[in-house]
Amino acid sequence: DARVTQTPRHKVTEMGQEVTMRCQPILGHNTVFWYRQTMMQGLELLAYFRNRAPLDDSGMPKDRFSAEMPDATLATLKIQPSEPRDSAVYFCASGLGPGTSSYEQYFGPGTRLTVT
Amino acid sequence: AQSVTQLDSHVSVSEGTPVLLRCNYSSSYSPSLFWYVQHPNKGLQLLLKYTSAATLVKGINGFEAEFKKSETSFHLTKPSAHMSDAAEYFCGVYGGSQGNLIFGKGTKLSVKP
Repeated sequence: DARVTQTPRHKVTEMGQEVTMRCQPILGHNTVFWYRQTMMQGLELLAYFRNRAPLDDSGMPKDRFSAEMPDATLATLKIQPSEPRDSAVYFCASGLGPGTSSYEQYFGPGTRLTVT
Repeated sequence: AQSVTQLDSHVSVSEGTPVLLRCNYSSSYSPSLFWYVQHPNKGLQLLLKYTSAATLVKGINGFEAEFKKSETSFHLTKPSAHMSDAAEYFCGVYGGSQGNLIFGKGTKLSVKP
């Protein structure tokens, strides 16, 4: 049963610290998405990649957030420095695209980040 | 530009009664629409999708949705709610050639015994 995995599942850190979240997409999927979910804003798309190249990162605060795909099996989302307003659940999703297969995204379990 | 609006932030039903979660869409062309479900502390899971084939789409767990172009709606229904249906439901529209999805704000479904 292929799944998207995310680590860590929970992270508590102090303001100003660097946070790195990792995602392993489903093998063979060529598109990776990063989302942030909060009670106030709901589900927001931060960035996404196809074939490891960034397609859109307009949803991401550029001064402190960065997203990369060092290889096809790993996507990372970094926050440096972290702030309390970054507290949220961060989801990674993967899929196939473009074309009709890109209609489905498979979500990981999320990383719950708390910045104090 | 594509967008979806979920008309209710919270819906409460009794077990065994019908479920209706409402979603309206806006699209400049024939849309591809989805419903995802999120159980507590879990990621989103695809329930069903409409991609310009049959207007009545059946999904997992007894859910279905009907695409109505005249009403720009894609409401999610289930004839009889089960306790395990309690979750948050997200309507979404395919954003275009880049492959992104645009989600609504979500509807939290509560099921009372």
